[in-house]
Amino acid sequence: ETGVTQSPTHLIKTRGQQVTLRCSSQSGHNTVSWYQQALGQGPQFIFQYYREEENGRGNFPPRFSGLQFPNYSSELNVNALELDDSALYLCASSFRDFNTEAFFGQGTRLTVV
Amino acid sequence: GENVEQHPSTLSVQEGDSAVIKCTYSDSASNYFPWYKQELGKGPQLIIDIRSNVGEKKDQRIAVTLNKTAKHFSLHITETQPEDSAVYFCAARKTSYDKVIFGPGTSLSVIP
Repeated sequence: ETGVTQSPTHLIKTRGQQVTLRCSSQSGHNTVSWYQQALGQGPQFIFQYYREEENGRGNFPPRFSGLQFPNYSSELNVNALELDDSALYLCASSFRDFNTEAFFGQGTRLTVV
Repeated sequence: GENVEQHPSTLSVQEGDSAVIKCTYSDSASNYFPWYKQELGKGPQLIIDIRSNVGEKKDQRIAVTLNKTAKHFSLHITETQPEDSAVYFCAARKTSYDKVIFGPGTSLSVIP
């Protein structure tokens, strides 16, 4: 186990709704990245947070937003859900200052109907 | 743009045989090359990584090689076991904290 925990593990939402996913990073890690993994594909980078600031963003629209809290936990918010947002959302944490590799949580399976 | 290609997409081997997965990357600034194993219903698990100043790295039954000139890297699993069955992703990143660019994955099946 990596020590990175995500909640909830599964959820179902209706198109047009909003959703918040949560991630607790591994103890001591100050950097959190979020990825979207569609079925049968590799994870795609959404954005990264370092010390509560967004620090890099992939090719995702502004309706994907995030937060990082002082304890380094993080949230991913998605507004105006679309059917194509159905995917496994992964959170990864690392300790940037010490050059550590990223460790992933088990993911949240989001289904948009 | 940044891209990682991976093949084969599926691989089936007999227990005890070796498995090889090959990847190429496009961004010459990439310096870290992690490999992840993803089992059904779980997140990717880091199994080994190699940095650009190293040509080969081994960890028990797993070995990775890197040819930075050709932008190729490979994963070798020897003496495969049924529990090695999973999806394997190669990946590349510029620094250890940069975004991870994943390949499309290889579904490995080890037949007992």
